[in-house]
Amino acid sequence: DIQMTQSPSSVSASVGDRVTITCRASQSISNWLAWYQQKPGKAPKLLIFTTSSLQSGVPSRFSGSGSGTDFTLTISSLQPEDFATYYCQQGNSFPFTFGPGTKVDIK
Amino acid sequence: QVQLQESGPGLVKSSETLSLTCTVSGGSVSHYYWSWLRQPAGKGLEWIGRIYASGTTKYNPSLEGRVTMSLDTSKNHFSLDLTSATAADTAVYYCARDSNHFDYCGQGILVTVSS
Repeated sequence: DIQMTQSPSSVSASVGDRVTITCRASQSISNWLAWYQQKPGKAPKLLIFTTSSLQSGVPSRFSGSGSGTDFTLTISSLQPEDFATYYCQQGNSFPFTFGPGTKVDIK
Repeated sequence: QVQLQESGPGLVKSSETLSLTCTVSGGSVSHYYWSWLRQPAGKGLEWIGRIYASGTTKYNPSLEGRVTMSLDTSKNHFSLDLTSATAADTAVYYCARDSNHFDYCGQGILVTVSS
């Protein structure tokens, strides 16, 4: 299985801050990397797919980059509704696997 | 707008079969892959497996042997059976449309396995 790691595991930030979350795969996954936002009691919401494609309806302050094994999710200016847990997921090979999550909370 | 809705028992006895159905509206199950995910309380997400309209399936090896997925195009739904359930299978289960990422998810259903 491809192991996904994320850093940091949590980050405290203020509204307006730039936030960067890193995801690393244990082997190359090409560009098959997706990012999700999850709020308590809710289903995960797709933000980014194939590394950098913005899902329809997702604000442009979210962006993704990377390739191979190292990927990044950036929130350019954190908004109150962005406080949540973020997960990366590889779709390159079976079984699909997720990172352990990064919790973004209020500083 | 595609919508997915999980249904099934919220309580399953240990050693019995956990069975869930996902009904799709606003789209046809005859297209796309469809997956099940799960998330134990306070923990991360796990992919269980996927199915295509042809009946082709792929399961997570961690659960293989216990998982069966099926799809009914006439009812526009797909299903999950997980046999020999244990407390470790207690989780919120999500169904999702699968394009190697999950762009539409159901709201989730909590399934508790009790002894």
